[in-house]
Amino acid sequence: ETGVTQTPRHLVMGMTNKKSLKCEQHLGHNAMYWYKQSAKKPLELMFVYNFKEQTENNSVPSRFSPECPNSSHLFLHLHTLQPEDSALYLCASSALGAELSPNYGYTFGSGTRLTVV
Amino acid sequence: KQEVTQIPAALSVPEGENLVLNCSFTDSAIYNLQWFRQDPGKGLTSLLLIQSSQREQTSGRLNASLDKSSGRSTLYIAASQPGDSATYLCAVLSSGGYQKVTFGTGTKLQVIP
Repeated sequence: ETGVTQTPRHLVMGMTNKKSLKCEQHLGHNAMYWYKQSAKKPLELMFVYNFKEQTENNSVPSRFSPECPNSSHLFLHLHTLQPEDSALYLCASSALGAELSPNYGYTFGSGTRLTVV
Repeated sequence: KQEVTQIPAALSVPEGENLVLNCSFTDSAIYNLQWFRQDPGKGLTSLLLIQSSQREQTSGRLNASLDKSSGRSTLYIAASQPGDSATYLCAVLSSGGYQKVTFGTGTKLQVIP
């Protein structure tokens, strides 16, 4: 484990379902991110949270709804998804303000493989 | 806008060979550059991080270099092994404006036994 834990690892949901992805980190980081990775496409940044406050929404459809109750937990609530939303969803964390630290960097979770049927 | 390019997109080499993966970026105003490894269907594992003031970093058989002025980084893998087969991604953290990470599209490496 990297220190960033994502659950579930796999999720199959119908287009009318509501589900949530969970991400948890205990690295003391203050920023958390959701990324989407589709086949043969580069990583797409979806949301950024800095000290629990959303600082970036990268033009993500409203059927994706993030929630960050504290600096250690991040959720992605899903509803009425489309088949094209099937992808690997990755959570990451970092320590904002420590960009010049030799140990600074992004830490990723193992991802949730989402299939929308 | 920062753009990150990785060449080649795919590489297949016999076991034991030394190899170089390339990463280029368009804006040299960066904090650091990070190399990741991704196995199929898995998350990203950090391999090496180079600060903008550094020229290279080494970890075991891996050596990453950074030439900020030319916008290039290379990841050198010595004595490649089948277990090195994965996709390698570079990510650039830009220092202009709000913290922003830009990922390359990756190089898919296959090491043949």
